[in-house]
Amino acid sequence: EVQLVESGGGWVQPGGSLRLSCAASGFSFSTYAMTWVRQAPGKGLEWVSIITSAGGTTYYADSVKGRFTISRDNSKNTVYLQVNSLRVEDTAVYFCAKDRGDPNGVFDHWGQGTLVSVSS
Amino acid sequence: AIQMTQSPSSLSASVGDRVTITCRASQAIRNDLGWYQQKPGKAPKLLIYSASTLQSGVPSRFSGSGSGTEFTLTISSLQPEDFATYYCLQDYIYPQTFGQGTKVDIK
Repeated sequence: EVQLVESGGGWVQPGGSLRLSCAASGFSFSTYAMTWVRQAPGKGLEWVSIITSAGGTTYYADSVKGRFTISRDNSKNTVYLQVNSLRVEDTAVYFCAKDRGDPNGVFDHWGQGTLVSVSS
Repeated sequence: AIQMTQSPSSLSASVGDRVTITCRASQAIRNDLGWYQQKPGKAPKLLIYSASTLQSGVPSRFSGSGSGTEFTLTISSLQPEDFATYYCLQDYIYPQTFGQGTKVDIK
């Protein structure tokens, strides 16, 4: 059974940083791209970033480019999202998801999310 | 970035109704579109990809169609467990972009 478990969220002041983690199990992690999607309270889904299976290629939403960095450690079956220079508008639940390919932008398994709250 | 526009933003329907949700892209995206269902407090769930391919395990009352700039998600006979918010997501080009969502609630 595929499982994705996010962690690392919490409260942070504007300008602060966090590192989100997503631990994967139940599939061949090193074969698939992985993505992060976020959802602000009461709002819709926003795609954030994606990383290919070997970590060689990454893409970002314009709203986070230059502030967020996605990475992965295939030896630990974990994908990360380093979130820097946080703004109030980055407050959201952050979901990680498994891509069906490498990548094809279709996300067939999701974690339950970790909440990032940015406020002073 | 490609803009995805869903309509309606919300709708009220009864069990057994046929429901159609539309998603329009600001430029042609071939058939590179998926549909996701999200219930309150839960993670999204993949329903359909490549515009019309049903994800394994998803009931056949869900179907998708379209290509280019206009796409539809149809629920042929709404069931109680289908009351949720539905999102389209283009995977034609990065950055990927979601529609704003369509909330389906009980009439």
